[in-house]
Amino acid sequence: DSGVTQTPKHLITATGQRVTLRCSPRSGDLSVYWYQQSLDQGLQFLIQYYNGEERAKGNILERFSAQQFPDLHSELNLSSLELGDSALYFCASSPRQGPETQYFGPGTRLLVL
Amino acid sequence: ILNVEQSPQSLHVQEGDSTNFTCSFPSSNFYALHWYRWETAKSPEALFVMTLNGDEKKKGRISATLNTKEGYSYLYIKGSQPEDSATYLCAFIGSARQLTFGSGTQLTVLP
Repeated sequence: DSGVTQTPKHLITATGQRVTLRCSPRSGDLSVYWYQQSLDQGLQFLIQYYNGEERAKGNILERFSAQQFPDLHSELNLSSLELGDSALYFCASSPRQGPETQYFGPGTRLLVL
Repeated sequence: ILNVEQSPQSLHVQEGDSTNFTCSFPSSNFYALHWYRWETAKSPEALFVMTLNGDEKKKGRISATLNTKEGYSYLYIKGSQPEDSATYLCAFIGSARQLTFGSGTQLTVLP
C-alpha cells in the first residue's frame, strides 16, 4: 500500500458523459501526478500539480482538466467522453516537485460504452 | 514527441541468471530518469530516480547506471528470481518536467 488513494476503483459510463476521478496523496506529499494507461499507448503522463499549482503538462486532452485543492487532494475531470478514453488512470504523489520517488495509487479503471 | 526506447521488449531468463535491459533517451535537456517495476494487476513501483551523469544506484539485487551524455541507462538484475517477473519501465524527464515513458521490458523468470 503506497498511501495514495484513488476513487472510484471502477467507473462505467457512456459516450458524451463527464466523470470526475479523485486522488488523495500520501500524507505530507505536495505533488500529484496523473497518468493514463490505455491498451494501445502504454503509460502516458497527463499533468502534475504542486501545492495547488499546475507544474507540468503532458499529453492531456482539452476535454480533460485537473485541479489540486487546498487539502492537496486532486481531481481529474474527463468530459465529452469517447470510447478511446477507456483506460486505467493512475495518480501518483511525491513530497515536493523535484526528481523524487513517485508513489502510485491503485488506479481508476474507466470504461466508456 | 520525445523518443524513449527500451530494449529488449521482452526477455525470458532462467532462475539464477543475471540480466540487463536498456533505456535510451534524448541526451539533451535531461532532468531525471525514473525506473519502475510494474507487476500485472498492480501499480508501478518506483525503483530508482537518477539525476546525475555517472549515477549508479542499487537496491538489493537490482542496480542501475546512467549516462546522460550518450542518453542511456542500464538496469541490472543479479541472480534473477521468479518474483522479479514484471515489466520494467523507464521514464525520461526533460527540462520542461514532462515525463515520457518507454514501452517497457517484460521480464519472465522461469523457475
